[in-house]
Amino acid sequence: QSALTQPASVSGSPGQSITISCTGTSSDVGGYNYVSWYQQHPGKAPKLMIYDVSNRPSGVSNRFSGSKSGNTASLTISGLQAEDEADYYCSSYTSSSTLEVVFGGGTKLTVL
Amino acid sequence: QVQLVQSGAEVKKPGASVKVSCKASGYTFTGYYMHWVRQAPGQGLEWMGWINPNSGGTNYAQKFQGWVTMTRDTSISTAYMELSRLRSDDTAVYYCARGSQIPAAIPDWFDPWGQGTLVTVSS
Repeated sequence: QSALTQPASVSGSPGQSITISCTGTSSDVGGYNYVSWYQQHPGKAPKLMIYDVSNRPSGVSNRFSGSKSGNTASLTISGLQAEDEADYYCSSYTSSSTLEVVFGGGTKLTVL
Repeated sequence: QVQLVQSGAEVKKPGASVKVSCKASGYTFTGYYMHWVRQAPGQGLEWMGWINPNSGGTNYAQKFQGWVTMTRDTSISTAYMELSRLRSDDTAVYYCARGSQIPAAIPDWFDPWGQGTLVTVSS
């Protein structure tokens, strides 16, 4: 069982917007602004899409945005495109004594 | 451009060890933490730990303490991850990923990632 909770799947039609949630605790998501999001296409390595809750790395489309409220972070993708279909993982720093980084279980995005 | 290139796929027997390499290019190797993350087939991502390429200092997730060793060779800008006493459930793709700039204390992002190394543990 992953430390951060994500929905197993979400879907949307081209042009629509979707939001993926990532729920943790006050020891990770809620306690720090160190949430990041990764996109992973089948057979490929993850790619950083959002860091520090809401910052986009250079080269990432502005259709991707991040936010946080309490213990839940969210990734929103607007103007869905076919190439957005992928798995998405959230990650957070954690103050746990057993590890420093926790991931969500991943969300499969299907573009209908 | 910043790039991480990992060694090729490995097949190991239970109880053996495996050592995966990760060669960095396009940036100052000793200036950023290097993390290792694994992904079992069809599963999510699992953080294993990091190495500070400048000092050689390491921090492992408690789950892996005692059976993972992360090292580096600064002369060739390469990081290594060795996992010992392999079991069948260690079958996974192992990724290296560049982390935050040293001496930032918090691992808040991973970018880029290596292409991954499939390690298969089977008798």
